[in-house]
Amino acid sequence: RKEVEQDPGPFNVPEGATVAFNCTYSNSASQSFFWYRQDCRKEPKLLMSVYSSGNEDGRFTAQLNRASQYISLLIRDSKLSDSATYLCVVNRDGGFKTIFGAGTRLFVKA
Amino acid sequence: EAGVTQFPSHSVIEKGQTVTLRCDPISGHDNLYWYRRVMGKEIKFLLHFVKESKQDESGMPNNRFLAERTGGTYSTLKVQPAELEDSGVYFCASSQDRDRETQYFGPGTRLLVL
Repeated sequence: RKEVEQDPGPFNVPEGATVAFNCTYSNSASQSFFWYRQDCRKEPKLLMSVYSSGNEDGRFTAQLNRASQYISLLIRDSKLSDSATYLCVVNRDGGFKTIFGAGTRLFVKA
Repeated sequence: EAGVTQFPSHSVIEKGQTVTLRCDPISGHDNLYWYRRVMGKEIKFLLHFVKESKQDESGMPNNRFLAERTGGTYSTLKVQPAELEDSGVYFCASSQDRDRETQYFGPGTRLLVL
């Protein structure tokens, strides 16, 4: 079993839709959590950090449930430019060990 | 501010040859990381430098891989001799010590071993 699991998708949604991605992690010692975005043939870029209290950045909302070891990302009012792979990332070992999920592919269509 | 840069962007070599990848982190970033993404798989951690010291090299696949960061600035990752399974995208990332979890990634080096 992988340490960070994501539904690979792809998710195909129309513009304006709301889409949610989920991620689970198996190591209870995990300390911090992130969502990264990766465009085709590009490097990963940090989208947002994830906190137990939840955090929101414009159309994006991330949530962490430590008890269930579950992380989510909600995208509202999807745009064509949101099409990308979304990577769930977990840090442990003092923040120095970074574990990536395999990513969830999103296609937003007009 | 310049981002993380990597060289070359692409490399095609034959099995048994040697390849050296280079990463220039963001200036002032003490933490430097190497990752690899093999086709169809997730990005995997290879190793982490703090300045010139190897903090964690537990992700290095075998002794054909050698990473260095002399002087604590740029880093090189040498694969010798290269095998077919070494093909993939090699990413470098860097972070500041006061915010080490915010990693900035370079564009990657696409390595193909034939």
